[in-house]
Amino acid sequence: SAVISQKPSRDICQRGTSLTIQCQVDSQVTMMFWYRQQPGQSLTLIATANQGSEATYESGFVIDKFPISRPNLTFSTLTVSNMSPEDSSIYLCSGGLATMNEQFFGPGTRLTVL
Amino acid sequence: AQKVTQAQTEISVVEKEDVTLDCVYETRDTTYYLFWYKQPPSGELVFLIRRNSFDEQNEISGRYSWNFQKSTSSFNFTITASQVVDSAVYFCALSEAKGNKLVFGAGTILRVKS
Repeated sequence: SAVISQKPSRDICQRGTSLTIQCQVDSQVTMMFWYRQQPGQSLTLIATANQGSEATYESGFVIDKFPISRPNLTFSTLTVSNMSPEDSSIYLCSGGLATMNEQFFGPGTRLTVL
Repeated sequence: AQKVTQAQTEISVVEKEDVTLDCVYETRDTTYYLFWYKQPPSGELVFLIRRNSFDEQNEISGRYSWNFQKSTSSFNFTITASQVVDSAVYFCALSEAKGNKLVFGAGTILRVKS
């Protein structure tokens, strides 16, 4: 299994600002993903973080709003840009090995936008 | 398109009762994977089990057991002799063989009362 950490664990931000969330995996993983969990809701996939290239976004999510980087196999960042109160959610990073079709999740970043 | 349905929004039981959480899925893939995750009040997502579509054997792990039936597209989860610490939101999820993206059900809130 992989151990995944995220920073920050929580933040309170002002409308119109941006926040970058970091995700670090303790071992090399082939797959990394970012999910959003709105209050009281299930998890929705934002994008697949691809190493060294642009992320692959799901329907309803765009790069201008959620730019993602993945410079190597163990690290990725998600930026929530020009935030509004509707962006208040838990953002979770996950990682795993494609060959094992497994996914382990980070502890999440709890974001509140005022 | 893939879809996961957890029809039970919330279940309340008294400690030591057995409880079954239902999960029904839809997919056109012949190879796929099914997962259960637990999300306690602290918010982290805890991996419980992964099952591939070719393995219909039921699995037991301590007080947890899983019943996978392809004929009814169901992957139900039973907790035997429930405990207060089992109180959490439980998510069923599905991924295709390629891509590893997870599609989550809406989740079932389990409340175990002492």
